[in-house]
Amino acid sequence: AQSVTQLGSHVSVSEGALVLLRCNYSSSVPPYLFWYVQYPNQGLQLLLKYTSAATLVKGINGFEAEFKKSETSFHLTKPSAHMSDAAEYFCAVSPANTGFQKLVFGTGTRLLVSP
Amino acid sequence: DADVTQTPRNRITKTGKRIMLECSQTKGHDRMYWYRQDPGLGLRLIYYSFDVKDINKGEISDGYSVSRQAQAKFSLSLESAIPNQTALYFCATSEPGLQETQYFGPGTRLLVL
Repeated sequence: AQSVTQLGSHVSVSEGALVLLRCNYSSSVPPYLFWYVQYPNQGLQLLLKYTSAATLVKGINGFEAEFKKSETSFHLTKPSAHMSDAAEYFCAVSPANTGFQKLVFGTGTRLLVSP
Repeated sequence: DADVTQTPRNRITKTGKRIMLECSQTKGHDRMYWYRQDPGLGLRLIYYSFDVKDINKGEISDGYSVSRQAQAKFSLSLESAIPNQTALYFCATSEPGLQETQYFGPGTRLLVL
């Protein structure tokens, strides 16, 4: 079975500061890992995904995440926060070796960006 | 125009009423999903469909039913709504594959009184 844990339901940063959103996963088989972002009153959209190629994955809007198997982590980072990054972020995992990839989502982390 | 649309966007109903949430997509994807989102719980899968004749229960299907009327349409019904079904409901689509991405609609906010 797969699961993800997102540490911190809320993270606050100042504009221009480093963004670090944490995600740890549990998977009995090699995982695919995803970060989705949800802006206010919108559906989720894909930020980036790890699919067993490069361990450092670059996504949209300057975000990136690094897959660390030894730490079972897939933390999301951005060097410099922008006001428009304020949103809720979800980490998700699915098994990599089955025909159907049912996504299992974390509980989400709301990013607050102050001027 | 949005690729995945949901109607209505907001709905208030009373306990015991039957309601239907609708989802349409223009992406041409075979796979469609219904999730509910609750604060602090993330998204949980209610039902999913691989094609018109293939519908499967997710982790929280009790109290819900679905209908896949066409490749582009997937409806979620609450036969007899109850207050703990108050939530934000999302429809999503994807193409089959080992690296598939799910594309989400804007959500339907449901309040059951």
